[in-house]
Amino acid sequence: GQNIDQPTEMTATEGAIVQINCTYQTSGFNGLFWYQQHAGEAPTFLSYNVLDGLEEKGRFSSFLSRSKGYSYLLLKELQMKDSASYLCAVRDSNYQLIWGAGTKLIIKP
Amino acid sequence: NAGVTQTPKFRILKIGQSMTLQCTQDMNHNYMYWYRQDPGMGLKLIYYSVGAGITDKGEVPNGYNVSRSTTEDFPLRLELAAPSQTSVYFCASSFETGSYEQYFGPGTRLTVT
Repeated sequence: GQNIDQPTEMTATEGAIVQINCTYQTSGFNGLFWYQQHAGEAPTFLSYNVLDGLEEKGRFSSFLSRSKGYSYLLLKELQMKDSASYLCAVRDSNYQLIWGAGTKLIIKP
Repeated sequence: NAGVTQTPKFRILKIGQSMTLQCTQDMNHNYMYWYRQDPGMGLKLIYYSVGAGITDKGEVPNGYNVSRSTTEDFPLRLELAAPSQTSVYFCASSFETGSYEQYFGPGTRLTVT
């Protein structure tokens, strides 16, 4: 079966750095997405990786290793507004998105 | 641009009732999707469409139906509502597949009692 694993919840301090991991086992791979979802709101796009390596976008970076079935989202200089759930999603061989359950990130002052 | 809009925002249904969740996008996107999100679970694809007149089943289509008569609209029909359909429903759209991101509507919170 297809599976995406992420930690359920993480806590970090304002101004710090946090890394949210995602491991996947899917039938084929056609890209990996990270989305942010604030409580009660819709998911919004953060990043896309299809080749191995690091993609940097401001305070957020996303890394992919296809051979290890592994990605992480790195958030720097954490702000209170970064408190949200972070969803990892993999596009499989049928070009469907398979979603992880999300990681709830709690930022403390 | 309004993006993706959904109505209603909230709805309570009795078991056995039917309803239609509306979804409209104004970005001229070809692809549209319906997901449900249950607490502690990932988004599950119900149905999707690659263009007007073309729809296909996703991972959890049972109990639902869709149509796509125009590029803009992609309504989701629930027939004979069951408590298992209590969930938050998101409509999304994208220009194409591949690297193109999906844009989500604000969601419909549905309770079936």
